Amino acid sequence: EAGVVQSPRYKIIEKKQPVAFWCNPISGHNTLYWYRQNLGQGPELLIRYENEEAVDDSQLPKDRFSAERLKGVDSTLKIQPAELGDSAVYLCASSPPIEGRAQFFEQYFGPGTRLTVT
Amino acid sequence: GIQVEQSPPDLILQEGANSTLRCNFSDSVNNLQWFHQNPWGQLINLFYIPSGTKQNGRLSATTVATERYSLLYISSSQTTDSGVYFCAVARGKLIFGQGTELSVKP
Repeated sequence: EAGVVQSPRYKIIEKKQPVAFWCNPISGHNTLYWYRQNLGQGPELLIRYENEEAVDDSQLPKDRFSAERLKGVDSTLKIQPAELGDSAVYLCASSPPIEGRAQFFEQYFGPGTRLTVT
Repeated sequence: GIQVEQSPPDLILQEGANSTLRCNFSDSVNNLQWFHQNPWGQLINLFYIPSGTKQNGRLSATTVATERYSLLYISSSQTTDSGVYFCAVARGKLIFGQGTELSVKP
Protein backbone atom coordinates (compact mmCIF):
# COMPACT_ATOMS: atom_id res chain seq x y z
CA GLU A 1 0.00 0.00 0.00
CA ALA A 2 1.41 3.37 -1.02
CA GLY A 3 1.85 5.90 1.76
CA VAL A 4 1.00 9.58 1.84
CA VAL A 5 2.74 11.35 -1.03
CA GLN A 6 3.91 14.96 -0.83
CA SER A 7 5.69 17.24 -3.26
CA PRO A 8 8.00 18.99 -3.49
CA ARG A 9 10.27 17.64 -0.77
CA TYR A 10 12.23 20.87 -0.52
CA LYS A 11 11.48 24.44 -1.54
CA ILE A 12 13.53 27.61 -1.20
CA ILE A 13 11.85 30.91 -2.02
CA GLU A 14 12.35 34.58 -1.35
CA LYS A 15 9.99 36.37 1.01
CA LYS A 16 6.84 37.78 -0.55
CA GLN A 17 6.82 35.01 -3.18
CA PRO A 18 3.97 32.48 -3.39
CA VAL A 19 4.45 28.76 -2.78
CA ALA A 20 2.25 25.68 -3.02
CA PHE A 21 2.48 22.19 -1.58
CA TRP A 22 0.68 19.11 -2.83
CA CYS A 23 -0.49 16.03 -0.96
CA ASN A 24 -2.03 12.75 -2.07
CA PRO A 25 -3.37 10.71 0.87
CA ILE A 26 -3.49 6.95 1.27
CA SER A 27 -6.15 5.43 -0.98
CA GLY A 28 -9.48 5.18 0.82
CA HIS A 29 -8.57 7.68 3.53
CA ASN A 30 -11.23 10.36 3.57
CA THR A 31 -9.68 12.52 6.30
CA LEU A 32 -6.72 14.69 5.35
CA TYR A 33 -4.65 16.97 7.60
CA TRP A 34 -2.04 19.65 7.02
CA TYR A 35 0.46 20.32 9.80
CA ARG A 36 3.34 22.74 10.26
CA GLN A 37 6.41 21.68 12.20
CA ASN A 38 8.83 24.33 13.38
CA LEU A 39 12.38 23.37 14.22
CA GLY A 40 12.66 21.54 17.53
CA GLN A 41 8.91 21.28 18.04
CA GLY A 42 6.12 18.84 17.39
CA PRO A 43 3.76 19.28 14.43
CA GLU A 44 0.79 21.63 14.83
CA LEU A 45 -2.47 21.21 12.96
CA LEU A 46 -3.29 23.82 10.32
CA ILE A 47 -6.42 22.33 8.75
CA ARG A 48 -8.42 19.11 8.67
CA TYR A 49 -10.62 17.91 5.81
CA GLU A 50 -13.38 15.33 5.92
CA ASN A 51 -13.73 14.47 2.24
CA GLU A 52 -13.81 17.87 0.51
CA GLU A 53 -15.06 19.81 3.54
CA ALA A 54 -12.68 21.76 5.77
CA VAL A 55 -14.04 20.88 9.24
CA ASP A 56 -11.29 22.48 11.32
CA ASP A 57 -9.31 25.42 9.94
CA SER A 58 -9.11 27.41 13.17
CA GLN A 59 -5.29 27.32 13.19
CA LEU A 60 -4.85 28.31 9.55
CA PRO A 61 -3.57 31.91 9.13
CA LYS A 62 -6.18 32.86 6.61
CA ASP A 63 -4.66 36.16 5.60
CA ARG A 64 -1.90 34.39 3.69
CA PHE A 65 -2.64 30.65 3.80
CA SER A 66 -5.25 28.81 1.77
CA ALA A 67 -6.01 25.16 1.14
CA GLU A 68 -8.26 23.16 -1.10
CA ARG A 69 -9.35 19.58 -1.59
CA LEU A 70 -11.71 19.91 -4.51
CA LYS A 71 -12.54 16.25 -5.24
CA GLY A 72 -12.01 14.91 -1.75
CA VAL A 73 -8.76 13.17 -2.66
CA ASP A 74 -5.56 15.18 -3.13
CA SER A 75 -5.03 18.58 -1.58
CA THR A 76 -3.01 21.74 -2.09
CA LEU A 77 -1.78 24.16 0.59
CA LYS A 78 -0.75 27.61 -0.58
CA ILE A 79 1.06 30.52 1.05
CA GLN A 80 0.89 33.94 -0.56
CA PRO A 81 2.93 35.95 0.18
CA ALA A 82 5.48 33.94 2.16
CA GLU A 83 7.21 35.49 5.18
CA LEU A 84 10.49 34.57 6.85
CA GLY A 85 8.59 33.03 9.76
CA ASP A 86 6.91 30.53 7.43
CA SER A 87 10.13 28.54 7.16
CA ALA A 88 9.18 25.12 8.52
CA VAL A 89 8.33 21.58 7.47
CA TYR A 90 4.78 21.20 6.15
CA LEU A 91 3.38 17.75 6.78
CA CYS A 92 0.34 16.08 5.32
CA ALA A 93 -1.40 13.17 7.05
CA SER A 94 -4.47 11.03 6.41
CA SER A 95 -6.82 8.76 8.32
CA PRO A 96 -9.32 6.08 7.27
CA PRO A 97 -13.07 6.71 7.57
CA ILE A 98 -14.39 7.39 11.06
CA GLU A 99 -16.62 4.68 12.52
CA GLY A 100 -19.09 5.01 15.34
CA ARG A 101 -18.40 7.82 17.76
CA ALA A 102 -14.62 7.68 17.59
CA GLN A 103 -13.28 11.10 16.78
CA PHE A 104 -9.83 10.22 15.63
CA PHE A 105 -8.31 7.24 13.99
CA GLU A 106 -4.65 6.57 13.59
CA GLN A 107 -2.98 9.20 11.41
CA TYR A 108 -0.37 8.40 8.78
CA PHE A 109 2.12 11.06 7.77
CA GLY A 110 3.83 11.90 4.52
CA PRO A 111 7.54 12.80 4.25
CA GLY A 112 6.87 16.53 4.43
CA THR A 113 7.98 19.58 2.46
CA ARG A 114 10.83 21.58 3.97
CA LEU A 115 10.24 25.25 3.16
CA THR A 116 12.98 27.83 3.50
CA VAL A 117 12.05 31.48 3.04
CA THR A 118 15.01 33.83 2.49
CA GLY B 1 -5.96 23.45 26.36
CA ILE B 2 -4.54 20.03 27.05
CA GLN B 3 -0.84 19.87 27.89
CA VAL B 4 1.42 17.04 26.69
CA GLU B 5 4.79 16.69 28.38
CA GLN B 6 7.49 14.26 27.35
CA SER B 7 10.55 13.24 29.31
CA PRO B 8 13.44 13.17 29.10
CA PRO B 9 13.92 15.88 26.43
CA ASP B 10 17.02 14.11 25.16
CA LEU B 11 18.76 10.83 25.77
CA ILE B 12 22.08 9.33 24.72
CA LEU B 13 22.48 5.55 24.80
CA GLN B 14 25.09 3.00 23.92
CA GLU B 15 23.94 0.42 21.41
CA GLY B 16 22.30 -2.49 23.21
CA ALA B 17 20.98 -0.46 26.13
CA ASN B 18 17.32 -0.24 27.17
CA SER B 19 15.32 2.94 27.71
CA THR B 20 11.93 4.21 28.82
CA LEU B 21 10.32 7.36 27.44
CA ARG B 22 7.42 8.97 29.24
CA CYS B 23 4.43 11.02 28.09
CA ASN B 24 2.17 12.81 30.58
CA PHE B 25 -1.04 14.52 29.54
CA SER B 26 -3.21 16.88 31.53
CA ASP B 27 -6.73 15.71 30.66
CA SER B 28 -8.70 12.75 29.31
CA VAL B 29 -8.05 11.96 25.66
CA ASN B 30 -9.71 10.00 22.85
CA ASN B 31 -6.55 8.27 21.73
CA LEU B 32 -2.77 8.38 21.91
CA GLN B 33 -0.10 7.66 19.33
CA TRP B 34 3.66 7.26 19.50
CA PHE B 35 5.74 8.31 16.50
CA HIS B 36 9.39 8.09 15.56
CA GLN B 37 10.72 10.94 13.42
CA ASN B 38 13.83 9.70 11.70
CA PRO B 39 16.78 11.93 10.82
CA TRP B 40 15.23 12.54 7.37
CA GLY B 41 12.08 13.97 8.94
CA GLN B 42 9.68 11.11 8.23
CA LEU B 43 7.14 10.52 11.01
CA ILE B 44 6.68 6.79 11.44
CA ASN B 45 3.75 5.34 13.37
CA LEU B 46 4.90 3.17 16.23
CA PHE B 47 1.78 2.59 18.27
CA TYR B 48 -1.87 3.61 18.36
CA ILE B 49 -2.53 2.99 22.03
CA PRO B 50 -5.39 4.78 23.82
CA SER B 51 -5.05 2.28 26.67
CA GLY B 52 -3.37 -0.98 27.60
CA THR B 53 -0.10 -2.47 26.39
CA LYS B 54 1.19 -3.30 22.93
CA GLN B 55 4.44 -4.77 21.71
CA ASN B 56 6.15 -4.70 18.35
CA GLY B 57 9.54 -6.34 18.25
CA ARG B 58 11.97 -4.48 20.50
CA LEU B 59 9.44 -1.74 21.19
CA SER B 60 6.48 -1.80 23.52
CA ALA B 61 4.12 0.82 24.88
CA THR B 62 1.77 1.11 27.81
CA THR B 63 -0.92 3.73 28.33
CA VAL B 64 -2.68 4.17 31.68
CA ALA B 65 -5.46 6.52 30.64
CA THR B 66 -6.89 6.88 34.16
CA GLU B 67 -3.54 8.19 35.39
CA ARG B 68 -2.88 10.19 32.21
CA TYR B 69 0.45 8.82 31.13
CA SER B 70 2.01 6.57 28.53
CA LEU B 71 5.39 4.86 28.41
CA LEU B 72 7.44 3.75 25.42
CA TYR B 73 10.04 1.05 26.04
CA ILE B 74 12.95 0.48 23.70
CA SER B 75 15.01 -2.63 24.36
CA SER B 76 18.40 -3.56 22.91
CA SER B 77 18.65 -0.18 21.19
CA GLN B 78 20.24 0.11 17.75
CA THR B 79 21.76 3.10 15.95
CA THR B 80 18.74 3.13 13.64
CA ASP B 81 16.56 3.94 16.66
CA SER B 82 18.09 7.43 16.72
CA GLY B 83 15.74 10.33 16.06
CA VAL B 84 12.94 12.10 17.86
CA TYR B 85 10.11 10.22 19.54
CA PHE B 86 6.79 12.04 19.76
CA CYS B 87 3.75 11.29 21.80
CA ALA B 88 0.50 12.75 20.44
CA VAL B 89 -2.93 12.77 22.06
CA ALA B 90 -6.32 13.40 20.49
CA ARG B 91 -8.67 15.87 22.11
CA GLY B 92 -10.60 17.43 19.27
CA LYS B 93 -7.36 17.29 17.31
CA LEU B 94 -3.99 15.57 17.56
CA ILE B 95 -1.72 17.45 19.98
CA PHE B 96 1.96 16.62 20.01
CA GLY B 97 4.44 16.77 22.84
CA GLN B 98 7.82 18.41 22.39
CA GLY B 99 9.49 15.07 21.75
CA THR B 100 12.42 13.09 23.17
CA GLU B 101 15.56 13.23 21.04
CA LEU B 102 17.32 9.87 21.20
CA SER B 103 20.87 9.28 20.05
CA VAL B 104 22.18 5.72 20.03
CA LYS B 105 25.97 5.46 19.81
CA PRO B 106 27.70 2.40 18.31
